Amino acid sequence: DGGITQSPKYLFRKEGQNVTLSCEQNLNHDAMYWYRQDPGQGLRLIYYSQIVNDFQKGDIAEGYSVSREKKESFPLTVTSAQKNPTAFYLCASSIESGNTIYFGEGSWLTVV
Amino acid sequence: AQSVSQHNHHVILSEAASLELGCNYSYGGTVNLFWYVQYPGQHLQLLLKYFSGDPLVKGIKGFEAEFIKSKFSFNLRKPSVQWSDTAEYFCAVNADYGGATNKLIFGTGTLLAVQP
Repeated sequence: DGGITQSPKYLFRKEGQNVTLSCEQNLNHDAMYWYRQDPGQGLRLIYYSQIVNDFQKGDIAEGYSVSREKKESFPLTVTSAQKNPTAFYLCASSIESGNTIYFGEGSWLTVV
Repeated sequence: AQSVSQHNHHVILSEAASLELGCNYSYGGTVNLFWYVQYPGQHLQLLLKYFSGDPLVKGIKGFEAEFIKSKFSFNLRKPSVQWSDTAEYFCAVNADYGGATNKLIFGTGTLLAVQP
């Protein structure tokens, strides 16, 4: 099936540890995105990538890092520098930047 | 900076009532407009979108939205809601910066609860 796969779906980590969330798409989309969803704040853009080997910071990039070595993959690392990492993280992709975005099912990260 | 406002944070309706959810954005140039829906326990999915043409856009499940450029608005409507419409609704705007990188900005969402 075509789509966007995020893993893991649920993740618990201790404070101070880095954690990497996986995002893979087989839609042959050029653009990929990471959003964070918090209650009452909607979706906020963390990082986005328009093409392989290129990515830009979104509105809340501090404490996060990404890579885009392959077209189908856009992993997000939540570093220990992120002050409030517990959240629901959504990966998305689109044929090209500006076009309709399709979302994965999300990853719940809880830092204790 | 570009922003999207959804003024209704929580809406409660009875079945068969009419729905209108407000969405306003703050960008004066060309925009692409979207409404996404997130049903309980499911991922975000596209409800409808406007890129150009007829400002009245029809989406899935009987929803429609009207783009009013002079009011910077893209309100979502449905004449008669059903219990299964209970979900969180997000308005999103993508501005065209003339070929530069553009990105989708979301509103804070409106939680709709439909009582049977």
